[in-house]
Amino acid sequence: NAGVTQTPKFRILKIGQSMTLQCAQDMNHNYMYWYRQDPGMGLKLIYYSVGAGITDKGEVPNGYNVSRSTTEDFPLRLELAAPSQTSVYFCASSPGDRRGYTFGSGTRLTVV
Amino acid sequence: AQSVTQLGSHVSVSEGALVLLRCNYSSSVPPYLFWYVQYPNQGLQLLLKYTSAATLVKGINGFEAEFKKSETSFHLTKPSAHMSDAAEYFCAVSDSEDTGRRALTFGSGTRLQVQP
Repeated sequence: NAGVTQTPKFRILKIGQSMTLQCAQDMNHNYMYWYRQDPGMGLKLIYYSVGAGITDKGEVPNGYNVSRSTTEDFPLRLELAAPSQTSVYFCASSPGDRRGYTFGSGTRLTVV
Repeated sequence: AQSVTQLGSHVSVSEGALVLLRCNYSSSVPPYLFWYVQYPNQGLQLLLKYTSAATLVKGINGFEAEFKKSETSFHLTKPSAHMSDAAEYFCAVSDSEDTGRRALTFGSGTRLQVQP
């Protein structure tokens, strides 16, 4: 049982480049989330999904896009990377009962 | 909307001393509350959670937290700090069901230092 798998673990991007952060879960959870973590700020919700084909914005969605074509996968797309997107990104999933959340190990992204 | 306030961005204790990390929440519905720990350059590990059962919740590594509705608090404690407890700690509250997203809202974190 792998839980939530994020790839890559580390990445350095140049300003203006694009990339996709991958997230996959094998628990058949309907709810999936993307957070970013910045020093002293805790984790902020970027996007979320309540099921395949359904996504919505969180608190800090600018500069990002998501898709959810399957229950398992929830990729996060960065278009035109900016230094402000330097952060640690966490993907999480939940069955939707508010009682349990499983987090991936994170992707550390640096934009230079 | 739910929110979490963690008082003290940095807490320093001596090894063997009591650890007290403060968390206050705001929630429009009975809350579900969580404490996570993050060791340097690692992901989030669940320490404990309150989901409306016993108000005193015991977690891993000797930590516990008490839910106090009258004080809207969920403070994390450990009787005797160990050097290995040095990490960042996050308190979080889950959204109510009617928000649709049912996501976690996190506090800004408290970095715990343990002095020898």
